Amino acid sequence: EAQVTQNPRYLITVTGKKLTVTCSQNMNHEYMSWYRQDPGLGLRQIYYSMNVEVTDKGDVPEGYKVSRKEKRNFPLILESPSPNQTSLYFCASSPYAPNEQFFGPGTRLTVL
Amino acid sequence: TQLLEQSPQFLSIQEGENLTVYCNSSSVFSSLQWYRQEPGEGPVLLVTVVTGGEVKKLKRLTFQFGDARKDSSLHITAAQPGDTGLYLCAGAGGYQKVTFGIGTKLQVIP
Repeated sequence: EAQVTQNPRYLITVTGKKLTVTCSQNMNHEYMSWYRQDPGLGLRQIYYSMNVEVTDKGDVPEGYKVSRKEKRNFPLILESPSPNQTSLYFCASSPYAPNEQFFGPGTRLTVL
Repeated sequence: TQLLEQSPQFLSIQEGENLTVYCNSSSVFSSLQWYRQEPGEGPVLLVTVVTGGEVKKLKRLTFQFGDARKDSSLHITAAQPGDTGLYLCAGAGGYQKVTFGIGTKLQVIP
């Protein structure tokens, strides 16, 4: 089954404790992206990747890191999480350009 | 930063009524997508429009891309309770960056 998987689905952590949210797709897609969704602000792009070893900043990259060492994986790293990073995070992939994005189920992160 | 203004943000209508959701920007997009999102789930793609003036139909849903590729609309004919959900527009701009509208929360009352 074609899908985008994210882990964990739920995470409660404390300020400053490094964490990684994994994202994997099995559709051989070139384009992958991370978003956060907040009430009243909608979905905002954090980082995206056009291909392996190519990553670019979205609109809200501060406090986040990503890497794209393999085509299928695109982890999101929070080196020192802060409460303002409490949000619902979505990973998405698309064949080439972001014209047909398939979204993962989301990761609800709470930073205390 | 490109902006995509989506309106209305909330819409509550009776079953059988028609409705239109708008997405407007001052920026040109290479493509524009419409998604639908259910609570607790990720957005699901409904349609992608690429060419200025393009119109696409998906059963009772009609999507239009503006001639200048700066705006789009979603029209639902004879809304049904199953159409209830959050509708999102998203534009792909320069360097393949994506901008989402804030979303339209639609409730169709039986």
